[in-house]
Amino acid sequence: GAVVSQHPSWVICKSGTSVKIECRSLDFQATTMFWYRQFPKQSLMLMATSNEGSKATYEQGVEKDKFLINHASLTLSTLTVTSAHPEDSSFYICSVPRDSFGEKLFFGSGTQLSVL
Amino acid sequence: QKEVEQDPGPLSVPEGAIVSLNCTYSNSAFQYFMWYRQYSRKGPELLMYTYSSGNKEDGRFTAQVDKSSKYISLFIRDSQPSDSATYLCAMSENYGGATNKLIFGTGTLLAVQP
Repeated sequence: GAVVSQHPSWVICKSGTSVKIECRSLDFQATTMFWYRQFPKQSLMLMATSNEGSKATYEQGVEKDKFLINHASLTLSTLTVTSAHPEDSSFYICSVPRDSFGEKLFFGSGTQLSVL
Repeated sequence: QKEVEQDPGPLSVPEGAIVSLNCTYSNSAFQYFMWYRQYSRKGPELLMYTYSSGNKEDGRFTAQVDKSSKYISLFIRDSQPSDSATYLCAMSENYGGATNKLIFGTGTLLAVQP
């Protein structure tokens, strides 16, 4: 069964609104979670590393004020896309390093965001 | 040049065929190599994981890594229609934890025809 739960699976919103995506590690306490973005026919691109109890680490070119990450517990990380615009429309996926060394990533089912 | 190159396909094969999927890379520091399967609009599912060069077999799947050529492969024997999906290669330099940053290929779309 799934070890990472991501919700919602799809969302449509108006330009200028904010959208929150949740990622839960179901049976593993994760101090670290990763957020990826995938545009059609392109690679999964790492956006940020979510760290439990501390600030997220963002990849170069990712706006931290636009993509707010909160990792409030060992099983939950949230990504909030603030003031969404059509160019933010994409497939967002979270992942959790599954074992103690973290080299095996398990992914959520993804969230398709469409901004009108 | 991208760090990881993967032919996007689509690759169409008849049921029962042997499928060969490949990736090349430019970063000689990559040590960890993975293959993921992704169905449409779903998160990737880890299929195979290998460290450094060599072969690894798991059921109908065999992963090969040739670090000298910077080339990795995934072979699928006796392919089934249920194998139809996008296959992503991924690799990283680091050994786990918060420094684990996977670099993905664009994925190869495979269609197995019944």
